[in-house]
Amino acid sequence: DTEVTQTPKHLVMGMTNKKSLKCEQHMGHRAMYWYKQKAKKPPELMFVYSYEKLSINESVPSRFSPECPNSSLLNLHLHALQPEDSALYLCASSQIRTTSLGGIQYFGAGTRLSVL
Amino acid sequence: AQKVTQAQTEISVVEKEDVTLDCVYETRDTTYYLFWYKQPPSGELVFLIRRNSFDEQNEISGRYSWNFQKSTSSFNFTITASQVVDSAVYFCALSEALQGAQKLVFGQGTRLTINP
Repeated sequence: DTEVTQTPKHLVMGMTNKKSLKCEQHMGHRAMYWYKQKAKKPPELMFVYSYEKLSINESVPSRFSPECPNSSLLNLHLHALQPEDSALYLCASSQIRTTSLGGIQYFGAGTRLSVL
Repeated sequence: AQKVTQAQTEISVVEKEDVTLDCVYETRDTTYYLFWYKQPPSGELVFLIRRNSFDEQNEISGRYSWNFQKSTSSFNFTITASQVVDSAVYFCALSEALQGAQKLVFGQGTRLTINP
């Protein structure tokens, strides 16, 4: 089973709303990732969690707040977003390898976010 | 810096034709991993293949084959006897170690359309 489940599939929010995206995996992976993908562009890395600790923040604005409550769950809390934040948000997970390289990232189907 | 180039933005062929998607990469690392992912309209990135820098054997999986050539820094993907279900955006990616975790550097993607 290589399933990563993301909810909700679609989200529309106003600029003053607070919402959360959820990601879940049961593959025993200890690395989890958030990506942002704009139309006709490749995914861009936002955050990486390794062993439930934030290891990479790719200079993401503070209106995006990640959380990893346990090894199976990853949340992305959204507050005061801008219309340009409208995108597909993808979650991925992978095993952690000693060389830090080569782990296969398995992706969820994403949350399509529209900010009005 | 790591870089992946997919020069073909869009390709359109008729069903049953063979099609090759090009991927050229740049890295100074001697150990690295390359990946291909498929993104259908549903949005999920589907893992297709991983290749490490020490394994230059070509790989075949059904109608899919991959040609890895270190001498030209290329990792090309061929679909034989294409089918409509192969229509998707295909991404080539290079793995980069970053602060103990792994970052995927994606190419811009190639949108493949298979016409009946």
